[in-house]
Amino acid sequence: DSGVTQTPKHLITATGQRVTLRCSPRSGDLSVYWYQQSLDQGLQFLIQYYNGEERAKGNILERFSAQQFPDLHSELNLSSLELGDSALYFCASSGRGGARDEQYFGPGTRLTVT
Amino acid sequence: AQKVTQAQTEISVVEKEDVTLDCVYETRDTTYYLFWYKQPPSGELVFLIRRNSFDEQNEISGRYSWNFQKSTSSFNFTITASQVVDSAVYFCALSEADNYGQNFVFGPGTRLSVLP
Repeated sequence: DSGVTQTPKHLITATGQRVTLRCSPRSGDLSVYWYQQSLDQGLQFLIQYYNGEERAKGNILERFSAQQFPDLHSELNLSSLELGDSALYFCASSGRGGARDEQYFGPGTRLTVT
Repeated sequence: AQKVTQAQTEISVVEKEDVTLDCVYETRDTTYYLFWYKQPPSGELVFLIRRNSFDEQNEISGRYSWNFQKSTSSFNFTITASQVVDSAVYFCALSEADNYGQNFVFGPGTRLSVLP
């Protein structure tokens, strides 16, 4: 158990809908990362937050947004969902969010868009 | 731009065989970090090791060992005396950020199957 929690575990929704994925980092970790894992794209870094502020952005679509709250949990919002958004979404956390920090991953949320 | 290549898509070995997973990376930075993660069939990603670009010492942890060679931009991972529980997808990753703000790039992964 990495100490990172993600909810929900599974989500099934229809195209055009909006969903919110939630992540709670390990106790004491200030940085949260979001990743998308799909069969054709592999593991893609989406976005990183550190202590409530956006720190780095990867291949995140404009239809997606995220935020980190004062209690350090984070939410990833996916809107106008398309079939291609079906994937496993991972959240990870690390202490200070620096390049040298290993990341601890949550169990993931499997999103299925029908 | 940074890039990680894992040329071996799938590897199958018989239990107790040694196996090496290759990782080749590209970066223009002189300071960077390399990682290996394991994703077992259950799906979670498990951190295995981190190596910084200034430390080329090989590392051994039990049956796992890592060979970092800057000259060939490689960070290979060897499992000695493989076991069925080693069956997983293994990802190599590269981070070339400075102190804060990290852009992590994963390789495509190598699926290792260890047969009894």
